[in-house]
Amino acid sequence: SQQGEEDPQALSIQEGENATMNCSYKTSINNLQWYRQNSGRGLVHLILIRSNEREKHSGRLRVTLDTSKKSSSLLITASRAADTASYFCATDRNGNKLVFGAGTILRVKS
Amino acid sequence: DADVTQTPRNRITKTGKRIMLECSQTKGHDRMYWYRQDPGLGLRLIYYSFDVKDINKGEISDGYSVSRQAQAKFSLSLESAIPNQTALYFCATSDPTGKFGANTGELFFGEGSRLTVL
Repeated sequence: SQQGEEDPQALSIQEGENATMNCSYKTSINNLQWYRQNSGRGLVHLILIRSNEREKHSGRLRVTLDTSKKSSSLLITASRAADTASYFCATDRNGNKLVFGAGTILRVKS
Repeated sequence: DADVTQTPRNRITKTGKRIMLECSQTKGHDRMYWYRQDPGLGLRLIYYSFDVKDINKGEISDGYSVSRQAQAKFSLSLESAIPNQTALYFCATSDPTGKFGANTGELFFGEGSRLTVL
C-alpha cells in the first residue's frame, strides 16, 4: 500500500495563480520529499524536508510538514505553463527506501 | 550524457518471453533501485541494492529478479513476462552519505523503460 497519498488527484489553474498540493502519510518518517515528473520522463527531485523541520523554501516552491497530522503541502507560487507536470510526495521512514504516493497532475493554462 | 541510463527505452514483447532491462550510472552512488509506475498507482518499489553484494526485495518483487553486476550496473529481469507487467519501469540511484553534494536520501532517476507485454 502507498505510504503517501496526494490530494487532489488533478488540479487545473491559470498561469500566475498559486498551486497547492497536499500529501498525507501513515507512519513516522525521517524525511519527506517532493518530486516532479514531466509526461513520460523520469522523476526529478524538488525538495526534501526533514521530520524536525516545519517549512522549507526553494525558489517558487514552499513545502510545509506537520508531523502531528502526518501531512505535508507543496505550494508553487506564480505558476507557469512549464510547471505542468505530475507531482509526487515520497516518504523515507528509515533512510533505506522511499515510498511514493499516486501523485497530483497539475495543468497550468496559459 | 545522462547520469542514469536505462536500456531499452521501449520494448514490446510477448507473454512468456524473458526480458532484461538494464541500468547503468555514472554518479558513483552505491544505492540503486528499480521502481514500476502504473497509472493512478504512483511508483512501487520492486528491488533495491545498497552495494554489489546486497539485494533486497521491495513491495512487488514477485515475477522479477535483479542482478547487481557492478557498482554502476543494476539489471531487472522478467523471467516469463505476463501482460500485467506492462508498465513504465524506472531505475534510480542515491547516495546516503551526502559526499556527492546532494541531499542524503534524494533519488536520481533514469528516463524510464516502457515495457508492453502482449
